[in-house]
Amino acid sequence: EMQLVESGGGLVKPGGSLRLSCAGSGFTFSRYSIIWVRQAPGKGLEWVSSISTSSSYMNYADSVRGRFTISRDNAKNSVYLQMNSLRAEDTAVYYCANLAPVNFDPQAGLWGQGTLVTVSS
Amino acid sequence: DIQMTQSPSSLSASVGDRVTITCRASQAISNFLAWYQQKPGRVPNLLIYAASTLQAGVPSRFSGSGSGTDFTLTISSLQPEDVATYYCQKYNSAPYAFGQGTKLEIK
Repeated sequence: EMQLVESGGGLVKPGGSLRLSCAGSGFTFSRYSIIWVRQAPGKGLEWVSSISTSSSYMNYADSVRGRFTISRDNAKNSVYLQMNSLRAEDTAVYYCANLAPVNFDPQAGLWGQGTLVTVSS
Repeated sequence: DIQMTQSPSSLSASVGDRVTITCRASQAISNFLAWYQQKPGRVPNLLIYAASTLQAGVPSRFSGSGSGTDFTLTISSLQPEDVATYYCQKYNSAPYAFGQGTKLEIK
């Protein structure tokens, strides 16, 4: 079964740090760019960060640039999101996903179940 | 950065109605446009990629069209299980922005 599984969420105080992990299985993980998307309670989807297949390209939303760092380890089929200087507005469910395909590709457009990050004192 | 704007933000329609949601990109993105369905409490699910290609397993009442800056998602005959929020996403290059979402309800 193809899947992405996030972990590492939890409750953290403002100014604190968390490291999220995204583990892939059942598909060729190294072939896909991976993105992180978040959804604050009752809000829409917000793209947060992305990393290319060989880690050559990493991109960040303006709202997290300078505080979050994305990385990957293809040997472990994993992508990580290091989140520092967390703020209340970072509270959200964080999803990892691979992008929708250009051509037919049953391994693309896959999302994890999400991990909840709550930033509160 | 390219902005994605969806309309309407919410929509109420009757079972059997034809429903259309639009998504506009602030600059041309060719056909690098995906549509996702998110049912309450669930993970987003890919419906359509490359603007008009139906993902495997998605009912044929869903269709997508458009290229460049203007895109549409159409449900040909609305079913009760289609109650959800629908999002478009550009994926030609980062930032991979989403539209703000369209919440679809049954009248």
